[in-house]
Amino acid sequence: QSVLTQPPSASGTPGQRVTISCSGSSSNIATNYIYWYQQLPGTAPKLLIYKNNQRPSGVPDRFSGSKSGTSASLAITGLRSEDEADFYCSAWDDSLSGWVFGGGTRLTVL
Amino acid sequence: QITLQESGPTLVKPTQTLTLTCTFSGFSLTTSGVGVGWIRQPPGKALEWLTLIYWDDDKRFTPSLRNRLTITKDTAKNQVFLTMTNMDPVDTATYYCVLGLGQYQLLSFFSWGQGTLVTVSS
Repeated sequence: QSVLTQPPSASGTPGQRVTISCSGSSSNIATNYIYWYQQLPGTAPKLLIYKNNQRPSGVPDRFSGSKSGTSASLAITGLRSEDEADFYCSAWDDSLSGWVFGGGTRLTVL
Repeated sequence: QITLQESGPTLVKPTQTLTLTCTFSGFSLTTSGVGVGWIRQPPGKALEWLTLIYWDDDKRFTPSLRNRLTITKDTAKNQVFLTMTNMDPVDTATYYCVLGLGQYQLLSFFSWGQGTLVTVSS
């Protein structure tokens, strides 16, 4: 059971906007930054969003992150077939003194 | 260019000790704010952070595995070593070496190795 809770799946058609949620608690998301990682099929994860809403160089602005209270969201606009991947949220947890991940959300582009 | 490469056995027997090596390039583990860690992923399952060592030798461990994990570094060789004792079939996973930038709640797992699949079976 993951400390952060994500829906197991999400889907959309090309061009659509989809959001993926991540729910936590007062010891992680509420008081610390949220990070998002994208794992394309058969590959290692890649940093997608850092410090709630910042994009590393090379990540398209179609990807955006937000946070409110104990929850966070990843939004993808202009959905493309190449966006099909597993997405993971992560944060530092003050109670565990370590980093925790969500269970992952598999995005399918229909 | 930043690279991280995991190496070690692909098969270990139950109760054995696993030792993995991460060899990296493109950054220095003597630079303030830099850490190297390990994250694993059982087949078809989610990511799980295991441990991380910072440039100043500060070490962090996931509480549930703390008593089984050791992490060390050789800055001269640009290597980090993970040791996990008393391996069990539930430890079968792909083990990723990761570059962490920033401290604690400010840290992002900025770059990842390709991962190495470790199977625990007799």
